[in-house]
Amino acid sequence: DSGVTQTPKHLITATGQRVTLRCSPRSGDLSVYWYQQSLDQGLQFLIQYYNGEERAKGNILERFSAQQFPDLHSELNLSSLELGDSALYFCASSAPGTGNSPLHFGNGTRLTVT
Amino acid sequence: AQKVTQAQTEISVVEKEDVTLDCVYETRDTTYYLFWYKQPPSGELVFLIRRNSFDEQNEISGRYSWNFQKSTSSFNFTITASQVVDSAVYFCALRGDSNYQLIWGAGTKLIIKP
Repeated sequence: DSGVTQTPKHLITATGQRVTLRCSPRSGDLSVYWYQQSLDQGLQFLIQYYNGEERAKGNILERFSAQQFPDLHSELNLSSLELGDSALYFCASSAPGTGNSPLHFGNGTRLTVT
Repeated sequence: AQKVTQAQTEISVVEKEDVTLDCVYETRDTTYYLFWYKQPPSGELVFLIRRNSFDEQNEISGRYSWNFQKSTSSFNFTITASQVVDSAVYFCALRGDSNYQLIWGAGTKLIIKP
């Protein structure tokens, strides 16, 4: 168990809808990262937050947004969903400090857009 | 620019064989960190190991071993006496001190046949 909690585990929704994915980082971790993994694809970095502030942005679509709350949990909002948004969405967290802190991943949310 | 190359897209071996997964990286940073992650068929991403650029000692953990060679910019992963439970996608990743973003390889799918 990595200590990172993601909910829900599975989500099935229709095109055009909006969903929210939730992530609770490991205790003590200040950084939260969101990744997208499409079928048989690698990991695409979406966005990173550090202690409530956006730290880095990757290939995140304008239809997607995220935030990190004062209690350090994070939410990823996906709107105007398209079939191509079907993927496994991972949240990860890491300890504060130097770059040698590994990312610890949650079990992911599997999103299916129909 | 930083880059991680996992040239082996898929490897298939018979149980009990030894197998090596290659990881070649590029970075101009003098201080950097290398990571290996495992993604079994169940989907979760599991952190396996971290190596700092200034520590070239190889590491062994049970049947797993890692060979870090700065001279060839490689951080290869060997599984000895492979088991079916080792079947997974394995990702190598790099983080340099210049921007702390994690650069991922495309992953190697390892299939261990009984």
